[in-house]
Amino acid sequence: DTGVSQNPRHKITKRGQNVTFRCDPISEHNRLYWYRQTLGQGPEFLTYFQNEAQLEKSRLLSDRFSAERPKGSFSTLEIQRTEQGDSAMYLCASSPKRELNTGELFFGEGSRLTVL
Amino acid sequence: GENVEQHPSTLSVQEGDSAVIKCTYSDSASNYFPWYKQELGKRPQLIIDIRSNVGEKKDQRIAVTLNKTAKHFSLHITETQPEDSAVYFCAARGQGAGNMLTFGGGTRLMVKP
Repeated sequence: DTGVSQNPRHKITKRGQNVTFRCDPISEHNRLYWYRQTLGQGPEFLTYFQNEAQLEKSRLLSDRFSAERPKGSFSTLEIQRTEQGDSAMYLCASSPKRELNTGELFFGEGSRLTVL
Repeated sequence: GENVEQHPSTLSVQEGDSAVIKCTYSDSASNYFPWYKQELGKRPQLIIDIRSNVGEKKDQRIAVTLNKTAKHFSLHITETQPEDSAVYFCAARGQGAGNMLTFGGGTRLMVKP
């Protein structure tokens, strides 16, 4: 499978714990996005990377959230001191560089976080 | 920033009937409007998209129309089948870096056999 890969697929944690999610984009894609999706809602943009540079961050991304893409390939999203309101599906998506870009985002299967 | 509203939130149709889902957007500079289908427990997948320089696009049983003046666009599914049952999301690409999309709240389509 050469699609976007995310892990873990499910994470249950206690309030106050830290969690980290990983996203491996499609290999030739230089753009990577994190979205959050709560039940019954559409995906909400969190942050965007072009190669290793984080170019956009949503106001939704509080200081407890941090995302990295150190080598311009895989990315991690860390949530510190989790709260029950952080429970959601965290979706990663990627897209190719501008010259090859049709506009489509290619999504992973998501990482579902449950904070008890 | 961009704001996308989608309705209805749920839609139930009989197999063979047509389904229409409507979205409005706020940023007049938005230029790309995709529709994603998400089956239960699966990733969102692009089913059709339209750019601001055209008013309509069709792909077999699926069509999308765009009215830039009114800032709304619609998804039309004809001859619905049970496998069309899913959640459908519209989205718009506004100003900002990259291909960042703003999504609507989704429409749960149920096609009854």
